[in-house]
Amino acid sequence: AQSVTQLGSHVSVSEGALVLLRCNYSSSVPPYLFWYVQYPNQGLQLLLKYTTGATLVKGINGFEAEFKKSETSFHLTKPSAHMSDAAEYFCAVTGGSNYKLTFGKGTLLTVNP
Amino acid sequence: DSGVTQTPKHLITATGQRVTLRCSPRSGDLSVYWYQQSLDQGLQFLIQYYNGEERAKGNILERFSAQQFPDLHSELNLSSLELGDSALYFCASSVGVGGNQPQHFGDGTRLSIL
Repeated sequence: AQSVTQLGSHVSVSEGALVLLRCNYSSSVPPYLFWYVQYPNQGLQLLLKYTTGATLVKGINGFEAEFKKSETSFHLTKPSAHMSDAAEYFCAVTGGSNYKLTFGKGTLLTVNP
Repeated sequence: DSGVTQTPKHLITATGQRVTLRCSPRSGDLSVYWYQQSLDQGLQFLIQYYNGEERAKGNILERFSAQQFPDLHSELNLSSLELGDSALYFCASSVGVGGNQPQHFGDGTRLSIL
């Protein structure tokens, strides 16, 4: 079985500040990890993914995440927050013969002017 | 725009009724997934189809069923609706069945049961 824990259901930052959204996973097989963003009244948009290879992955809108196997983590970061980053962010895992995405409960990011 | 189309965007109906949600995957994608998003359960996987065949089942109730048609569009049928079925239902698609292939989501159908 796989699971995802997102630490902090709500994160608030100032515009221009570092964004750090935490994700820890549990998987009995090598994981594939994803971050999705959901804006109000919209579907989920893929930000970035880790499958194999380089452990630091870059995504859209200036976001990046680092896969740390020893820490079972896949934290999402962005050096400088923008007002348009305000949304809910979901970390998800698949792996092995398991094709379904198992999601964390989400982190709501608020960006203050 | 993800390329995944879901209709309708909103559905309002009453308990005991039956509804059908429709999904057209991205061009070239053979896999379709259905997810339910609710405040208490979060995002939950329901079912997956690949090229017309069921591949995986998740937390899908017996009152719910799905199918994928030869043109690859999919329908999720919800029957004997209960208040607790009110949720946002997402369809996602991917090229194949590998877990390393990203799933692209539609904008969802918001189902409200009165």
